[in-house]
Amino acid sequence: NAGVTQTPKFQVLKTGQSMTLQCAQDMNHEYMSWYRQDPGMGLRLIHYSVGAGITDQGEVPNGYNVSRSTTEDFPLRLLSAAPSQTSVYFCASSVTGDGIQYFGAGTRLSVL
Amino acid sequence: GIQVEQSPPDLILQEGANSTLRCNFSDSVNNLQWFHQNPWGQLINLFYIPSGTKQNGRLSATTVATERYSLLYISSSQTTDSGVYFCASNSGGSNYKLTFGKGTLLTVNP
Repeated sequence: NAGVTQTPKFQVLKTGQSMTLQCAQDMNHEYMSWYRQDPGMGLRLIHYSVGAGITDQGEVPNGYNVSRSTTEDFPLRLLSAAPSQTSVYFCASSVTGDGIQYFGAGTRLSVL
Repeated sequence: GIQVEQSPPDLILQEGANSTLRCNFSDSVNNLQWFHQNPWGQLINLFYIPSGTKQNGRLSATTVATERYSLLYISSSQTTDSGVYFCASNSGGSNYKLTFGKGTLLTVNP
């Protein structure tokens, strides 16, 4: 059982480039979410989804887009990367929005 | 939104010592979780404990929802316990927005 899988593990971008961080889960969880982790800041919620076709903003949504076309996948898009988006990104899933959260291994992103 | 504060921010122990980590939250909650982030960055859920007490081996957790705090106890600490411990919660009015504390960095020396 793979759990929550994030790709890539590492990525370096130039300012203004776009990219998609992939997140997939094989546990049939309805709830999925994206967080960013910065030194001394803990984890902050970017976007979340309570099911296919339904997404909503978290605490720090600016500069990021999401969509949820299937239960399994929840990609995070950076349309025009900025140095302020240098961070470690985590995807999580759970059966329900207030259930136990299972995290992926993270994607370390650097924007130059 | 809800505020989550953790203490202490840093803790250094000798192997075999016991410790208590605290998490205070500013509002009533229906979801309180403890996580361990190991030195390689992986986040593992330790406890889902909106109220009451749970134990898992050398770790236990207690949440007193009426007084808005949770405690994580680590007994007979081992070097593998090192890492960052986070608590996270959401308020009853925002079931899907989980707020994390800034964590407690635990270092267990051999």
